[in-house]
Parts: sequence; structure tokens; C-alpha cells
Amino acid sequence: KQEVTQIPAALSVPEGENLVLNCSFTDSAIYNLQWFRQDPGKGLTSLLLIQSSQREQTSGRLNASLDKSSGRSTLYIAASQPGDSATYLCAGGATNKLIFGTGTLLAVQP
Amino acid sequence: DADVTQTPRNRITKTGKRIMLECSQTKGHDRMYWYRQDPGLGLRLIYYSFDVKDINKGEISDGYSVSRQAQAKFSLSLESAIPNQTALYFCATSDRTGASYNEQFFGPGTRLTVL
Repeated sequence: KQEVTQIPAALSVPEGENLVLNCSFTDSAIYNLQWFRQDPGKGLTSLLLIQSSQREQTSGRLNASLDKSSGRSTLYIAASQPGDSATYLCAGGATNKLIFGTGTLLAVQP
Repeated sequence: DADVTQTPRNRITKTGKRIMLECSQTKGHDRMYWYRQDPGLGLRLIYYSFDVKDINKGEISDGYSVSRQAQAKFSLSLESAIPNQTALYFCATSDRTGASYNEQFFGPGTRLTVL
């Protein structure tokens, strides 16, 4: 059974820092890995999707990597800003569904 | 306009009532999903549908039913609501082809409270 874990559960950094969020999964037979952002009481916004044949994806200040052999994905945020404060969720694409981690709550202090 | 919409956005109901949550999408995707989100438990899949004639149970389908009225519409029903169904409910869609194959896009959510 696929399980997805995110560490740390919460993170506070000063504005301008580069940071890394971690995601690990138990079953390497995933189809893809998707990173989301969720603001309090809001829906999920898709940030990046990495297909199983890819190693990384980039969008602006965000870079996500995928290492299926080690069961890990990382989300790198460059030059963090207070507007990046949110919960970040990763989800592994298994047969017919996504398996979600419980998220990392990020606070970027001005 | 939002690509994935959910109605209602908030609902308070009483134990034993039947309630329907609706989802519509304009993305032209054939796959649709219903999830619930609970604090500390993350998002869990309730039902999913790969086309109008294809409905499948997720990991927590007990107490729920769904209807795929059209490619763009997917409804979730609670036949007899109970307090532990209080949660944030999300609809999502994905496409089975293209560069964003199986990338899921979420609606804004429905906050349901069962008293």
C-alpha cells in the first residue's frame, strides 16, 4: 500500500531564504508525483507535476525533483517571500488515484 | 471563471439528512474525483469516475454515493449524514492524454458541517 510522508510538518523561515520541502513514498511504482499549494480554507493549486519518466520540473522559483529508486521527491523554493506562506502537499500517482501526504505548513517571515 | 466549481461552498446540516454536493468543470476532462480532507489525515479518495459510464469506489466510500450526470458534472451524495462526515470536500478533474496526463485540478471545496 502506497504511503506518502512529508517532513517537516511545519517550517518557519525568514524572507529571502532558499528552502527544501521533502516528500517520501513507499512504492516506487508511481505514475507521477504532483506538488500542490493550499491556502487556509481554500482549494489545492497544482504547482508542478513530474511524470515517472522525468527527473525534475521547474516553474519560476520552484523546482521539484523525483527519485523513484529512493522513493523521494523534493520541492525547492528559491528566494522565499511572505506570499509563499501556505501548506504544501505532495501526492504520488498510483493506479487510478493520488495518495496524499499530510503536508508541510510553511511560514515565511517578513 | 473557475475551471472547476463546487456548490454549495458551505453547508450546515443535521444528522440523518440527505445532502448533495455538486461539481462542474469546463476543462473538458473525462476523469473526475471526490476527496475529503480532515485535519491530520490529509486528503482521502471517496469515489472516482473515468467517464460517464465508469464509477469506482475509493478508499472511504461507505456512507456516500455519486452520480456522473454528464462528462462535466459529478455529484456526491450523503444518504444519511452523520457528524463524522463533517469535513472539507473537494472535487478534482484530470485528463488521460497530453503532456499533463493525469495532473489533477481541484475545485475550491465545500465545507460541510453535520450537527
